Amino acid sequence: TQLLEQSPQFLSIQEGENLTVYCNSSSVFSSLQWYRQEPGEGPVLLVTVVTGGEVKKLKRLTFQFGDARKDSSLHITAAQTGDTGLYLCAGEDSNSGYALNFGKGTSLLVTP
Amino acid sequence: GAGVSQTPSNKVTEKGKYVELRCDPISGHTALYWYRQSLGQGPEFLIYFQGTGAADDSGLPNDRFFAVRPEGSVSTLKIQRTERGDSAVYLCASSFGGGHEQYFGPGTRLTVT
Repeated sequence: TQLLEQSPQFLSIQEGENLTVYCNSSSVFSSLQWYRQEPGEGPVLLVTVVTGGEVKKLKRLTFQFGDARKDSSLHITAAQTGDTGLYLCAGEDSNSGYALNFGKGTSLLVTP
Repeated sequence: GAGVSQTPSNKVTEKGKYVELRCDPISGHTALYWYRQSLGQGPEFLIYFQGTGAADDSGLPNDRFFAVRPEGSVSTLKIQRTERGDSAVYLCASSFGGGHEQYFGPGTRLTVT
């Protein structure tokens, strides 16, 4: 199993602040996906990054895939209370077909 | 359109009992996945179906776990002789095919007492 480590594990910030969360591995992934999960719900796909060095933007969220395709980051600008949730990164396991390997996630709390 | 649905949303059972968890994928999605998420953890892969067949069941923890998808649509995850360690949220996801983006259902929270 290709392990993904996410940091920080927990993050509490005030509305309007910027933040970055990280997803790191010693393995190369063909693609990485970022999901957000709220309590009692399944993960919701935010973005997929495929090419090394790729940067994708989704409103105030910026996702980057490392050049070597082993790591990724998610940057949120001017966080809002609606950004609160568990952010999960996942990579396709090259040894197991299309199964996704997930990190443990970063639990983000944005307070007013 | 309708997303992935899972029933029941919650299931409480006694140790040693048998349980079935159901997943209805998005219409037209040929690939279906089961994952298990324990408290404080990310989802853990269990099994992947392409059509009716289990293309990859390497994530099933032991032979008490079994899943079927007889008509290539709805899938049932079956757990025999449940143990307290089986308590978790069981998530189902579907996609247009292997390698395409996966869409998750809300999960079934299983509690074994």
